[in-house]
Amino acid sequence: DSGVTQTPKHLITATGQRVTLRCSPRSGDLSVYWYQQSLDQGLQFLIQYYNGEERAKGNILERFSAQQFPDLHSELNLSSLELGDSALYFCASSVEGLNYNEQFFGPGTRLTVL
Amino acid sequence: GENVEQHPSTLSVQEGDSAVIKCTYSDSASNYFPWYKQELGKGPQLIIDIRSNVGEKKDQRIAVTLNKTAKHFSLHITETQPEDSAVYFCAAGRTNAGGTSYGKLTFGQGTILTVHP
Repeated sequence: DSGVTQTPKHLITATGQRVTLRCSPRSGDLSVYWYQQSLDQGLQFLIQYYNGEERAKGNILERFSAQQFPDLHSELNLSSLELGDSALYFCASSVEGLNYNEQFFGPGTRLTVL
Repeated sequence: GENVEQHPSTLSVQEGDSAVIKCTYSDSASNYFPWYKQELGKGPQLIIDIRSNVGEKKDQRIAVTLNKTAKHFSLHITETQPEDSAVYFCAAGRTNAGGTSYGKLTFGQGTILTVHP
């Protein structure tokens, strides 16, 4: 158990809908990262937040957005869903500083768009 | 941007044999190279990492080597056991001297390791 929690575990929805994925980082970790894992694209970095501020952006679609709240939990919002958005979505967290960039992953949310 | 290539895509070994997985990266500024193990239905688990100021690191049956000149790094698992069967990912990232990350890890495509009893 990495200490990172993600809800829900599974999500099934229809095209055109909007969903919110939630992540709680390990206690003490200030950075949260979101990754998408699909069979054809592998593990792709989407976005990073550090202490509430966006720090880095990867291959995140404009239909997707994220935020990190004062209690450091993060949410990833996916809208106008398409079939191709079906994937595993992972959240990871890390503590900045001496143990730089060791990222610990949550169990993931499996999104199925029908 | 960074590109990480990982080989082989599948690896099958007998219990007790060694397994080696190799990765190459393209960005010479990358200085942090972790390896993750992902079991079915679970998130990736960090198993070992190496920073660019060292060439080799060992943790029990697992070792990682780094050749910065050639931009490649490898994972070595000795005395493999059936419970080592999983998907293994290499990754590359950047941090500054103070330890603040620049954000993302770029992952290889993964290696499916199967250890036969």
